[in-house]
Amino acid sequence: AQRVTQPEKLLSVFKGAPVELKCNYSYSGSPELFWYVQYSRQRLQLLLRHISRESIKGFTADLNKGETSFHLKKPFAQEEDSAMYYCALGFSGGYNKLIFGAGTRLAVHP
Amino acid sequence: DTEVTQTPKHLVMGMTNKKSLKCEQHMGHRAMYWYKQKAKKPPELMFVYSYEKLSINESVPSRFSPECPNSSLLNLHLHALQPEDSALYLCASSQTWGAGAKNEQYFGPGTRLTVT
Repeated sequence: AQRVTQPEKLLSVFKGAPVELKCNYSYSGSPELFWYVQYSRQRLQLLLRHISRESIKGFTADLNKGETSFHLKKPFAQEEDSAMYYCALGFSGGYNKLIFGAGTRLAVHP
Repeated sequence: DTEVTQTPKHLVMGMTNKKSLKCEQHMGHRAMYWYKQKAKKPPELMFVYSYEKLSINESVPSRFSPECPNSSLLNLHLHALQPEDSALYLCASSQTWGAGAKNEQYFGPGTRLTVT
């Protein structure tokens, strides 16, 4: 069955510290992986998608098919990074449902 | 216009009421979605419309009735809801749906529904 696992409900770091939000997925086909972010009182918005291999707001994520992971990383956290982060798996091959992980709340302290 | 808009922002309704949620996008997207998000939980897919036709119904109770009048509009009609249906209802859209489709979904701000 398709599944997305984000093992940490809360990740608390100090400003300037490195950040890694973990995401593991289970899917037998060719996955499409996304990171969505939800800032306080704002809409859910796309942060990264694995096919783009881009860096947004200093965040990067690499798809590791061997470890079935898509961890989100940032070398130096900023207070404005505090938000809820969701990893999402999109099905390929005929239809494109999104399955979200439970989410990780990132709290960056001054 | 690169946004998905939803109205109303907040809705309080009794269990015998009939109400509707509205979603609109003007990005030319041909796939639109309804999600339900309970507090501190991820969004859960309810319905998908592709080219104004219902493509997916995730076994949603019939008290929720979706409607797609045209390619820019998506409605969710509510009737005889239960208190446990209280949640944030999110609308999203994407460029296309199906094989080879662009999966990037754009979300609206949501309607916070309270059923009393």
